[in-house]
Amino acid sequence: DAGVIQSPRHEVTEMGQEVTLRCKPISGHNSLFWYRQTMMRGLELLIYFNNNVPIDDSGMPEDRFSAKMPNASFSTLKIQPSEPRDSAVYFCASSLAHGWGPSSYEQYFGPGTRLTVT
Amino acid sequence: AQSVTQLDSHVSVSEGTPVLLRCNYSSSYSPSLFWYVQHPNKGLQLLLKYTSAATLVKGINGFEAEFKKSETSFHLTKPSAHMSDAAEYFCVVVHNTDKLIFGTGTRLQVFP
Repeated sequence: DAGVIQSPRHEVTEMGQEVTLRCKPISGHNSLFWYRQTMMRGLELLIYFNNNVPIDDSGMPEDRFSAKMPNASFSTLKIQPSEPRDSAVYFCASSLAHGWGPSSYEQYFGPGTRLTVT
Repeated sequence: AQSVTQLDSHVSVSEGTPVLLRCNYSSSYSPSLFWYVQHPNKGLQLLLKYTSAATLVKGINGFEAEFKKSETSFHLTKPSAHMSDAAEYFCVVVHNTDKLIFGTGTRLQVFP
């Protein structure tokens, strides 16, 4: 099993540019989560999907952020336009949930994408 | 609302000595609690979880945690630290069954 795959691993971009982060969850998992990690705010849940449907996006900072999950094996997190304060490590995680809410089950994290916006 | 407080931001131990990472939780009902570990430049990995079964939970790599309702605590322990245990550890509570609420993390340093 390859685990959760994220790309790119590192992204350096200039302020105002569009950034797209990609995630491939573990095959068979039905829930997918996007997190952001910074020194100041720690780990924050941005959005999560269950069966490809966005369930809760209350953690998305603002309209510049958007996420999609067109199918069970792929998700994107887009920032447009990017700003220096978006610099962080972005993690994708997936889980196999049945019955209770998806967070009650073990989440498998990808290695993260380190985003630097200059 | 559910929350967790990790009482130490940094813990330093010598190799071979016991490890204690402290976590207190706040929850209006019986919580589900986890410990995750993050090694440098890696994603998070589940160490162990408590979901209202046995109060003493054993995890991977020799770690265990005890759920104490009277103290609202879920401290992580290991009898003997290994150099490879150096990492950041997160105490986590499940919020309303659909979100993980992470503590601020405890960085464990292990000296030879």
